[in-house]
Amino acid sequence: AQTVTQSQPEMSVQEAETVTLSCTYDTSESNYYLFWYKQPPSRQMILVIRQEAYKQQNATENRFSVNFQKAAKSFSLKISDSQLGDTAMYFCAFISINTGTASKLTFGTGTRLQVTL
Amino acid sequence: DTAVSQTPKYLVTQMGNDKSIKCEQNLGHDTMYWYKQDSKKFLKIMFSYNNKELIINETVPNRFSPKSPDKAHLNLHINSLELGDSAVYFCASSRRNYGYTFGSGTRLTVV
Repeated sequence: AQTVTQSQPEMSVQEAETVTLSCTYDTSESNYYLFWYKQPPSRQMILVIRQEAYKQQNATENRFSVNFQKAAKSFSLKISDSQLGDTAMYFCAFISINTGTASKLTFGTGTRLQVTL
Repeated sequence: DTAVSQTPKYLVTQMGNDKSIKCEQNLGHDTMYWYKQDSKKFLKIMFSYNNKELIINETVPNRFSPKSPDKAHLNLHINSLELGDSAVYFCASSRRNYGYTFGSGTRLTVV
């Protein structure tokens, strides 16, 4: 079974600064995807960024980028130029490709990020 | 247009009642899911349907019964509600493994 660990329950960053959220995972699979989801106070789950395990290049989406270290099973999220609207819970998630339609997205416990003035 | 819509958004009900949550997606995805988010914000899968067929059924009490009349709809019926069922329930859909699209959640409060 896969597990996803987020060791930072809460983090705080000042507006315009950079913050990195940590995520590690445990799997014996070789083909999988990793995701970061954002859940603001509105409770909507929003996909922030996606990384395919077979790609060595780190994914980026505007101010959001990841540091994917496959050997270390680490998948951290960097938010640059933090904005007040980035305040939210951030969830790291894993899905195996090999199980076909029986695949399921497994989440970490989340990191609550507070962006301050 | 809302991609994954759930109704109702809020549900307050007494212990012992039976209630349903409805979910519809207009993305053409083949697979739909129900997730439960507890008071500590932990998200855990409950069920998964692929083209109306039950694929994943985690260790969920029998009081929870999903129904998928077609691949665009996945409803969740809960019998004999208990206090511990209070949570936010999310519907989601996906095509292969390109990430899930979630509904806005249903906050269920059992009193």
